[in-house]
Amino acid sequence: GEDVEQSLFLSVREGDSSVINCTYTDSSSTYLYWYKQEPGAGLQLLTYIFSNMDMKQDQRLTVLLNKKDKHLSLRIADTQTGDSAIYFCAEKTSGTYKYIFGTGTRLKVLA
Amino acid sequence: DTEVTQTPKHLVMGMTNKKSLKCEQHMGHRAMYWYKQKAKKPPELMFVYSYEKLSINESVPSRFSPECPNSSLLNLHLHALQPEDSALYLCASSQEAGVTGELFFGEGSRLTVL
Repeated sequence: GEDVEQSLFLSVREGDSSVINCTYTDSSSTYLYWYKQEPGAGLQLLTYIFSNMDMKQDQRLTVLLNKKDKHLSLRIADTQTGDSAIYFCAEKTSGTYKYIFGTGTRLKVLA
Repeated sequence: DTEVTQTPKHLVMGMTNKKSLKCEQHMGHRAMYWYKQKAKKPPELMFVYSYEKLSINESVPSRFSPECPNSSLLNLHLHALQPEDSALYLCASSQEAGVTGELFFGEGSRLTVL
């Protein structure tokens, strides 16, 4: 199957850490991505990880990949109100153009 | 230049109209995509062009007609649409399929069909 599941909603207080989770089913996925979408805008690539990696850190963002459980997470440290958006994970297999997007998680940051 | 530019940003059309959405990128990417996104849903793939040739058509109704005049431009021609076709239409581009292939998205064209 090609289902990528995410929890629908997450609410955190400004300054706290946010953790957004994603579960995928395609074990042949080679690349996994996190995108951010603000209201009325397109999707902005935040970061990506290769399937042979366990972790990737990029400033306030930490991506963890558990390939055995097909679980991907995005941790945002020191969450700010500007981080409020919908976050999509996505998977892709090398050699294809088909990106499978997750259902999206709406992050709300409370001041 | 890491931009994908889409025009128009907003489009309202009747069911008998013919209109077009346009997309442009100057990153040298050889793959270009059209996605359709309904409110609070993930983007759904419609078409992929690779090296200016149609590579993927996700069984999209013929009232949507894509065109890739050159490696920098992608059009979506619209004719006899239905109200349920109202959505945000996103264009994206990427390098060849075999590399990391990050998708770069435009801001989208919001289409309303009356």
